[in-house]
Amino acid sequence: RKEVEQDPGPFNVPEGATVAFNCTYSNSASQSFFWYRQDCRKEPKLLMSVYSSGNEDGRFIAQLNRASQYISLLIRDSKLSDSATYLCVVETTDSWGKLQFGAGTQVVVTP
Amino acid sequence: GAVVSQHPSRVICKSGTSVKIECRSLDFQATTMFWYRQFPKKSLMLMATSNEGSKATYEQGVEKDKFLINHASLTLSTLTVTSAHPEDSSFYICSGSPPGLLGTDTQYFGPGTRLTVL
Repeated sequence: RKEVEQDPGPFNVPEGATVAFNCTYSNSASQSFFWYRQDCRKEPKLLMSVYSSGNEDGRFIAQLNRASQYISLLIRDSKLSDSATYLCVVETTDSWGKLQFGAGTQVVVTP
Repeated sequence: GAVVSQHPSRVICKSGTSVKIECRSLDFQATTMFWYRQFPKKSLMLMATSNEGSKATYEQGVEKDKFLINHASLTLSTLTVTSAHPEDSSFYICSGSPPGLLGTDTQYFGPGTRLTVL
């Protein structure tokens, strides 16, 4: 079983709609979680950290469910510029700073 | 956010040659940097942890003699792909974390180096 699993998509979303997707992780001891955004042939860029209480950054809402070991990302009022691959990232427990990446969920926002 | 640069951004080489990729933290000092590899439509896979002034720590399955890492200063880590073969063609990305900035968990990635081995 992969350490971090995501639905690869693509999620085709009309502009202005809401899209949400999850990511599951296997290590129950994991403490730090992130969503990164990666555009085609570019490096990943931090979108937001995911806190236990859930957090919101503008149109983006991230939630953590420790009991079920998943994190979610919801994008409200989707913009064309939101089209990208969203990477779920979990910091490993064996060493600081080591990150484990999901394969990414592709989101395509259409006009 | 913090800035990490990589050079070159793209390299094409013949099979059997060695390629050096540089990763620089431009506005912070990084005692630790990470090297990743990403194949098309796949996830980033951590290759090794680069430690300033000491040996790199390699992930399981990554050949340390093939992927030489040198972290000679607090702002520069290099990855050398020795005797490159076509299967080494990939997108290589480094990352670093500025201490104390937005917490120690935030990693900033370089723009990546696309290696093509003919």
